[in-house]
Amino acid sequence: EIVLTQSPGTLSLSPGERATLSCRASQSVSSSYLAWYQQKPGQAPRLLIYGASSRATGIPDRFSGSGSGTDFTLTISRLEPEDFAVYYCQQYGSSPRITFGQGTRLEIK
Amino acid sequence: QLQLQESGPGLVKPSETLSLTCTVSGGSISSSSYYWGWIRQPPGKGLEWIGSIYYSGSTYYNPSLKSRVTISVDTSKNQFSLKLSSVTAADTAVYYCARLVAASFLSFDYWGQGTLVTVSS
Repeated sequence: EIVLTQSPGTLSLSPGERATLSCRASQSVSSSYLAWYQQKPGQAPRLLIYGASSRATGIPDRFSGSGSGTDFTLTISRLEPEDFAVYYCQQYGSSPRITFGQGTRLEIK
Repeated sequence: QLQLQESGPGLVKPSETLSLTCTVSGGSISSSSYYWGWIRQPPGKGLEWIGSIYYSGSTYYNPSLKSRVTISVDTSKNQFSLKLSSVTAADTAVYYCARLVAASFLSFDYWGQGTLVTVSS
């Protein structure tokens, strides 16, 4: 089973700052089957990044993803007030086929 | 615009079977480009994939739930369904249905709003 570990658990930053969120896999994630989601309270998750670095439709270019193998990063270049939320990474691969990280809470400092 | 809508009882008794249906509108569930999945989120916790299904009926389940889960598809109604048997309080969660896109490296691009299912007597 591939376990995804996200760090930090909580990130406290101010609007305008740069956010760097990490997702580390216990085994290599094949073919960059790594996605990132944003979830706000009371809402369903929203797809931000797929294939480790491709932005989903309608996602602002301040969001970017990078990484390969076991280490992946979501970067938000300049935080907007609406970016404060919980972020999850997700991988598709060997059994269980889909797993999520435990999440990183991005809060206003 | 694709929409997914979960429906089913919000309260289930322990040891009984949880049954939910996801109705897809604005697109066909029979497209070869997509899988369809169920994900759950216990209150205040993270996301857990339950399982996925292809329009042909092929299913993929989380091994931790496999013995209790059945996912099925009804292409004539553009719906897919979840059954989770022998539920306990640990199965209390918001249950989401979502579309899994092969072209997007099997990520979930459309989600339902979610439905809270509480397991309690």
